[in-house]
Amino acid sequence: QLVESGGVAVQPGGSLRLSCAASVFKFEDYDIHWVRQAPGKGLEWVSVISWDHTTTFYADSVWGRFTISRDNTEASVFLHMNNLTPEDTGLYYCVRNQRFCSKRCYQKNAFDIWGQGTMVTVSS
Amino acid sequence: ETVLTQFPATLSVSPGERVTLSCWASQSVGSDLAWYQQKPGRAPRLLIYGASNRATGVPVRFSGSGSGTDFSLTISSLQSEDFAVYYCQQYNNWPPVTFGQGTRLEIK
Repeated sequence: QLVESGGVAVQPGGSLRLSCAASVFKFEDYDIHWVRQAPGKGLEWVSVISWDHTTTFYADSVWGRFTISRDNTEASVFLHMNNLTPEDTGLYYCVRNQRFCSKRCYQKNAFDIWGQGTMVTVSS
Repeated sequence: ETVLTQFPATLSVSPGERVTLSCWASQSVGSDLAWYQQKPGRAPRLLIYGASNRATGVPVRFSGSGSGTDFSLTISSLQSEDFAVYYCQQYNNWPPVTFGQGTRLEIK
């Protein structure tokens, strides 16, 4: 299970930190992504952090403004968002990678667990 | 960036009918394609991964096919709970992971 929090209304140029708390599964084994959805629109991938937090990637639309981090001891992932614009408005989902294990384990970026989302509104 | 195009944008069908949704990739994604179902006010749900594998708990009336650039999701006999928006997603050429714009399945 994944539970997001931290979404609020903020003015353009503002900052925000979203949190995602995991439970039930072994959090430290999984890469975690953020995916967002603007009101009435489709899905947009935002960022990913690897299970050991050594690797991160970002969508071009948020590069340089957003930072993803995680704390495996707390089973949590965070999205630090700076210099927010109205185009960042949307529902932000925390999602888990698929993981397969046979002789060894590997992950694929299909998302088998989604949180309920937390709403970010950027408006003056 | 790999662009995914879904068609049609909206499909009006009757319960019990068979329906096929399409997803075309701007470059090959191998079999690294997933399908999601999203109902109003709900998070998306993984239906199909690896182009043709049903996720846990997904009814057998859902099936996926294709490889490379052309993919489809078929629902063999539409149930009332299947009316939703369906998204395809590729995870072969990343970052970024990309989604199609969605196909809305409506009741005729």
